[in-house]
Amino acid sequence: GAVVSQHPSRVICKSGTSVKIECRSLDFQATTMFWYRQFPKKSLMLMATSNEGSKATYEQGVEKDKFLINHASLTLSTLTVTSAHPEDSSFYICSASHRLAGVGNEQFFGPGTRLTVL
Amino acid sequence: DAKTTQPPSMDCAEGRAANLPCNHSTISGNEYVYWYRQIHSQGPQYIIHGLKNNETNEMASLIITEDRKSSTLILPHATLRDTAVYYCIVRVPDNYGQNFVFGPGTRLSVLP
Repeated sequence: GAVVSQHPSRVICKSGTSVKIECRSLDFQATTMFWYRQFPKKSLMLMATSNEGSKATYEQGVEKDKFLINHASLTLSTLTVTSAHPEDSSFYICSASHRLAGVGNEQFFGPGTRLTVL
Repeated sequence: DAKTTQPPSMDCAEGRAANLPCNHSTISGNEYVYWYRQIHSQGPQYIIHGLKNNETNEMASLIITEDRKSSTLILPHATLRDTAVYYCIVRVPDNYGQNFVFGPGTRLSVLP
């Protein structure tokens, strides 16, 4: 199956700093990538939809100036948490859409990035 | 909003079959049922999906009722490594620009 990677797998940073998380589709081109956030014991919540070469679409309540998304190529999307605060500590997960003909299994998830802001 | 309802938690003895139910009474004719699971601190993992016929793969079986208003995911011989949160999702397939909507899922604990 298609593989999606994320880097780093975990990061600890000081309050006020910015953190960049990468999401890569390793063996396929993904025109659309999605960024989710997951708080402890909660389900995944969509933050934004990222299409290659265009601006990301953010969900209601997600600050686009705080969570910068860049999808510059068909295999890479980045999420930058700017001026991070402790309440941004969470598990960030990306997924990428890939057309596997006739399967209907078209979305593949990365392993997630654990962000801890001190 | 998620279109499915699942029990919040279930226990299963190791080696026994785990049967995870899901209600999706408002499912549309062109929507499939998908199952994913999430082991602690990992990304969601695809398990299986289906439209109306029962499906089986190396991981699990999916039984969908004739009226398609509910389904059951069956792990035939649960192991400790199957302990995870299981998500039942309904959506139109091959919709590449649409995200998956996750509900709270069922937390399955496989007990030794």
